[in-house]
Order: sequence, then structure tokens, then C-alpha cells
Amino acid sequence: AQSVSQHNHHVILSEAASLELGCNYSYGGTVNLFWYVQYPGQHLQLLLKYFSGDPLVKGIKGFEAEFIKSKFSFNLRKPSVQWSDTAEYFCAAANNAGNMLTFGGGTRLMVKP
Amino acid sequence: SQTIHQWPATLVQPVGSPLSLECTVEGTSNPNLYWYRQAAGRGLQLLFYSVGIGQISSEVPQNLSASRPQDRQFILSSKKLLLSDSGFYLCAFEPGHISSGSPLHFGNGTRLTVT
Repeated sequence: AQSVSQHNHHVILSEAASLELGCNYSYGGTVNLFWYVQYPGQHLQLLLKYFSGDPLVKGIKGFEAEFIKSKFSFNLRKPSVQWSDTAEYFCAAANNAGNMLTFGGGTRLMVKP
Repeated sequence: SQTIHQWPATLVQPVGSPLSLECTVEGTSNPNLYWYRQAAGRGLQLLFYSVGIGQISSEVPQNLSASRPQDRQFILSSKKLLLSDSGFYLCAFEPGHISSGSPLHFGNGTRLTVT
């Protein structure tokens, strides 16, 4: 069965700290991978996506993610977080024969000023 | 431009009452449409998806149902709400008919509280 796992449910960081949120997927065949963010009181927004090509993907607001096929991982990173990065982050995956997104459980990030 | 509208934004309903949440999409034809639920402290769960008018697929058996009476309209319903139906419901669409792995666009969501 297809699944996406986010092992960090809650993360608390101070401003300027580095961030890495883990995401592992279980999918057969080619997979498309996404990170979505939900800021407090706002709707889900796409941060970045990976379909093919360079496994290091750059997204908005200084975020990046690396697709490591051998590890079935797509971890999200940011070198220096800001208070405004406080949000819930969702990893998602779909096979490229369709777009039935499977979401991970989400990681709630709190950045302390 | 492509937009998605979902209403109401919040809803408080007693147990056993009916439910109807509506979602409409503008600026695209024949979108794939999705209903997700985000329960408190949990991730997003796909409830229903539709690739065309009258075509509904259910991912999770429950007392909810979905309908697509028009190309860009997607309705989530229940005849009798349960307490466990409380949560945050999100409608989403993917432009166009042929899926290419393009990202979903989400509505602002409906927070449903069943009392």
C-alpha cells in the first residue's frame, strides 16, 4: 500500500537554526513528491515539488528538498529558519500515472523569536 | 486565473443532522476534484476524488458521500453527522483532464464541529 511517513510530529527551533524535516514514502514505480505548508489561519500552499531531474529541488522562501531514491526519502531543509516559518508542513506523494496525493501526518514547526 | 471557492468556512452542526459542503472551481475545464479531511492532530486523509461529472471514487468507507453535479462543482454530504465527523475539510483541484503530476490547489477549508 502507498504511504508517506513524517517522523517528526512537532519541532521547536530558535530563529536562525537549521531545519530538516524527514519524509519517507512507500510507493511502487515512479513517484512525484511534494511539500505543502499551512501557515496559521491559511490554506495549504505548495512549497516545492519533485517530478524528475535534479534530485535537489529549490522551493519558495529558501526551502529545498532532496530526493534520495535509495532511501525512499524526500527531506525538507532550510539553512536558517525565521519566526514566520512557523506552520504545519506536509509531505505528499503520488505516482505519475495519476495524482492521487497521499499525505504524511504533518509536522508542526514552531520557531521561537 | 484558476480559483477555488469552498463554503462555508465554519460550521457547527448537531449529531444526526445533515451536511452539505460545496466547492466550486473557476478558470479550468474538467478538473480532477478532491475532498480531504484533516482531523485534529492528524494528517490529511483523502475522502473522495472525481475525474469527471458523476464520477466519484471513495477512498475511505464512512457515512459521508460526494457528488459532482456539474463539471466544476463538488459537494460533500452526509445524511446524519457523527461526532467523529468533526474536522477540517479541504477541497482541492488539479487543472485539466490528463493528470501530469501537477500540484493540487486547495480551497480555504471548512471547519466542521459536530456537537
